Amino acid sequence: EPEVTQTPSHQVTQMGQEVILRCVPISNHLYFYWYRQILGQKVEFLVSFYNNEISEKSEIFDDQFSVERPDGSNFTLKIRSTKLEDSAMYFCASSPTGGNGYTFGSGTRLTVV
Amino acid sequence: RKEVEQDPGPFNVPEGATVAFNCTYSNSASQSFFWYRQDCRKEPKLLMSVYSSGNEDGRFTAQLNRASQYISLLIRDSKLSDSATYLCVVNVFGNEKLTFGTGTRLTIIP
Repeated sequence: EPEVTQTPSHQVTQMGQEVILRCVPISNHLYFYWYRQILGQKVEFLVSFYNNEISEKSEIFDDQFSVERPDGSNFTLKIRSTKLEDSAMYFCASSPTGGNGYTFGSGTRLTVV
Repeated sequence: RKEVEQDPGPFNVPEGATVAFNCTYSNSASQSFFWYRQDCRKEPKLLMSVYSSGNEDGRFTAQLNRASQYISLLIRDSKLSDSATYLCVVNVFGNEKLTFGTGTRLTIIP
């Protein structure tokens, strides 16, 4: 069964540092997403990406965040200057069509200290 | 009002019992509805989509009431492996994002 792959599985970073979370979506999917889940809270939408540009983003996705598809396979989330409150699980997902048929990756646990 | 509201539980249910979860959503433009399952510190995994006519998948039955903006999930003959958090998820027509409820935690007791 095709998978969405995320690396690293766990990252610890110091406050103020930049982090890049990496994802390899399913190869024939066209829509890519990042979600986050703070411990004990609900899964929250960050951003969707289609046709090499952001198609939708939430209020959480401020100027500290950016996404990129640097080549034909990777999809990255960059946090420029991490804050303590950025500590969360970050899930990448992809779907063949927007809003349906999602597959989530296993997540990257980001800990900001 | 929360976009998607669920009873957080926890529900502690003996093995073999039937358990039901409810969910309400606030946006009447919601078009697609899902139940996801999430194990501790894992990614959400699709359990089933929810259709207007109601649908069943083995021991799982989902119902949708658009008029009341209400979704339900019924699990029959519960197994130990059903222990997880069950997430009610909706998608608004024309949007790509999924909106998640906070989840209902279920523990099946041997």
